[in-house]
Amino acid sequence: QKEVEQNSGPLSVPEGAIASLNCTYSDRGSQSFFWYRQYSGKSPELIMSIYSNGDKEDGRFTAQLNKASQYVSLLIRDSQPSDSATYLCAVNTGTNAGKSTFGDGTTLTVKP
Amino acid sequence: DAGVIQSPRHEVTEMGQEVTLRCKPISGHNSLFWYRQTMMRGLELLIYFNNNVPIDDSGMPEDRFSAKMPNASFSTLKIQPSEPRDSAVYFCASSFQGADTEAFFGQGTRLTVV
Repeated sequence: QKEVEQNSGPLSVPEGAIASLNCTYSDRGSQSFFWYRQYSGKSPELIMSIYSNGDKEDGRFTAQLNKASQYVSLLIRDSQPSDSATYLCAVNTGTNAGKSTFGDGTTLTVKP
Repeated sequence: DAGVIQSPRHEVTEMGQEVTLRCKPISGHNSLFWYRQTMMRGLELLIYFNNNVPIDDSGMPEDRFSAKMPNASFSTLKIQPSEPRDSAVYFCASSFQGADTEAFFGQGTRLTVV
């Protein structure tokens, strides 16, 4: 079992729809959870971080964390073509000098 | 701050040659990570340093790969000899150690070994 698993995708949604990206992790000691966005040919950039159970909203993005289920998700409301990218889930146990383990990513395409 | 700076941005080399990738982390960050990204294997952690000390190099694929961090503002990843299967994008990232740390990535070096 991989430490961090994501829906392999690709995921395609129409413009204006809600895109839902999912991630599960295996280490129950994980403390910090991140979503990175990576455009084709670019480096990953952080878009959301979440540390406690529940929802965290930032503009059109909502991160959801459920530590009991070892599950974290990212919702993108009113999806735009500019949201088309690969989304990487990263999990940090708080030890190992800030090392994050990344999932393989889910590629999202938002169709106009 | 200029962010994490990597050089070169692109490198094309012949099989068997030595390749050195360079990274300057964000000032004040004390953890540095080298990742490799390919379509087949995704984003793989090769090695990471904390306070200039290598903590975990279990991701380094072979002895052909080596990494150093002589000081807090500079790190290198060396491949000697290079092989075509080393072709990938290599990212350097830095962070400040802590439970809520996020990693900031450089722009990457696209390596092609022919």
